[in-house]
This record gives sequence, C-alpha cells and structure tokens, in this order.
Amino acid sequence: GAGVSQTPSNKVTEKGKYVELRCDPISGHTALYWYRQSLGQGPEFLIYFQGTGAADDSGLPNDRFFAVRPEGSVSTLKIQRTERGDSAVYLCASAGTGNTGELFFGEGSRLTVL
Amino acid sequence: GIQVEQSPPDLILQEGANSTLRCNFSDSVNNLQWFHQNPWGQLINLFYIPSGTKQNGRLSATTVATERYSLLYISSSQTTDSGVYFCGSRDDKIIFGKGTRLHILP
Repeated sequence: GAGVSQTPSNKVTEKGKYVELRCDPISGHTALYWYRQSLGQGPEFLIYFQGTGAADDSGLPNDRFFAVRPEGSVSTLKIQRTERGDSAVYLCASAGTGNTGELFFGEGSRLTVL
Repeated sequence: GIQVEQSPPDLILQEGANSTLRCNFSDSVNNLQWFHQNPWGQLINLFYIPSGTKQNGRLSATTVATERYSLLYISSSQTTDSGVYFCGSRDDKIIFGKGTRLHILP
C-alpha cells in the first residue's frame, strides 16, 4: 500500500482479555518496528523485525507481549492478559532496508484497557 | 544505549515567529530523522537528515554528526505547525527524545 496501515485504530477491552494489533507495512519494506507511546511521552521501542525474524525484541516489557511477522510483511502484536497499564497508542513503522533509510509510521492503534 | 535530549521541552510563539528546536545525542548520530506529531497523534516525516542541511518550504534542518546534534528551524510559524516535534537516531532501532511541544498562537 501507499503507507503503513494499522488496525484497529481504536480498541477498548477489559482487563485480562487478549488483544491483537495488526500492522501492514509499506510494500517492499523489509524492516518493521513496533513502538508504544503513552500520553506526554516519546515513542518507546518494543520490537524490530528484519524480514520474518525479530532482530531485537529487547523493548517488550514482559512475556505477555509477543509479535510475529510470519511472511515478512504483515505483523501482529499480541498482548495477553491485558492490564490497565497497557493502555497506550501502539505505533508501527517500516523502512526499506535494514538499518539505513527513512522510517515511516502508521497512524497507530489506540488501546484502552478498562 | 544512546540518549537523546530535546530542547526546549515547550515553546509558545505568536503566529509569524521563527523558532529553533535542538536535539543532542550522547553517542554517534545515525539515520537521524525529524518528525511532527500532529494533534491526532500521527508522526509525520519532516526530514531524513543523517548529516548536512536540508530545506523544505518554511522548514529546514541541520545535522552536525561530528558534534552530535541536530537543529530544526521553523520560519514564519503558522497555527498548523502546533504539535510535538521529535527527533530520533537509528542504528537498528530509532531512539526518540521526549519531544518539543510547540504552541503557535493566532
């Protein structure tokens, strides 16, 4: 597609539920990133994929968070047993090559855990 | 890891004024980008500027990689320039500063 697409744009769930957030990167981009942004803060790195593999998952806060990119294109961020502190905007970005080149962000998925 | 410091944290200006936003980095600067986060939360690319100077209309940016800083200049500010400006440096993952919140008053 023309840009990075994220769905859903808004998700409200209850504490303890499972959530999936989807990212469709720019066509042909091999690098894909997930970030989380809380109110008043800068984006916080979660995980980075190069192709199908997670090149760096050091930002995932705990084992309730998991992300996949099985075919090297679309990625899904999965959050188990959601907690109120998981409420944030989850941003996805893609870039054309590994660690060079311009990064493009999607519009984000706003997650609210009640 | 690399630390990114942005200044000023907040800036309030009258429409038509000029401004300079700064990013300082604790380590070498790679693949530096400037973004504008609009009131709806989307991060809009302003500049990809690993080094040197670029201009785009009323905006320009300069990165001095050897001295680990970058500057964003906004001239003749408009109310639509309001929002938060982020810079980030990327080896594998981009590390962001906390942003500069810019308010342009009509």
